[in-house]
Amino acid sequence: GAGVSQTPSNKVTEKGKYVELRCDPISGHTALYWYRQSLGQGPEFLIYFQGTGAADDSGLPNDRFFAVRPEGSVSTLKIQRTERGDSAVYLCASSLGQGAPGANVLTFGAGSRLTVL
Amino acid sequence: AQSVAQPEDQVNVAEGNPLTVKCTYSVSGNPYLFWYVQYPNRGLQFLLKYITGDNLVKGSYGFEAEFNKSQTSFHLKKPSALVSDSALYFCAVRDIPPNDYKLSFGAGTTVTVRA
Repeated sequence: GAGVSQTPSNKVTEKGKYVELRCDPISGHTALYWYRQSLGQGPEFLIYFQGTGAADDSGLPNDRFFAVRPEGSVSTLKIQRTERGDSAVYLCASSLGQGAPGANVLTFGAGSRLTVL
Repeated sequence: AQSVAQPEDQVNVAEGNPLTVKCTYSVSGNPYLFWYVQYPNRGLQFLLKYITGDNLVKGSYGFEAEFNKSQTSFHLKKPSALVSDSALYFCAVRDIPPNDYKLSFGAGTTVTVRA
């Protein structure tokens, strides 16, 4: 597509529920990233995919968070047993692969705002 | 660890006046620095980057940034601000290899340009 698409744009859930957030990157971008932006803070790195594999998931806060990218395009961020502290805007970005010109120029989606009650 | 700091939470300027958004950095090795802008309900948009070369980097929408090694700064500038420049601005730094896919962002500076 023309840009990075994220769905849903807003998600309100109850503590303890399971949530999935979807990201559809720019066609041809092999690198995909998830960042989390809490109120009043800059985006914080969660996970990086190069192709289908998670090359770096060191930013995931704990084992309740998991992300997949089974076909090297669309990615899903999954959060189990949500907690109020998970409330944030979850940003997805894509770029050309590491080493390519412009690899660090990320194109971000508009984000998925998660509210855990 | 690579990091950036944005010392101002908010910057207010009148339309037509110069705009400066400050950023300082702390890095190991050569810094790779970026500016992104976030408009309401929109994703972050890339403005410009410094990799090497000229200390004055030109970017999108008339913005430029000045890299200053002695002051470890990378301030964003625009000679004449527009009301439409009102947004949230983030400075970012790239991590060192092999983790050079990862960006660390500052907390952001809210810019308000009044008519």
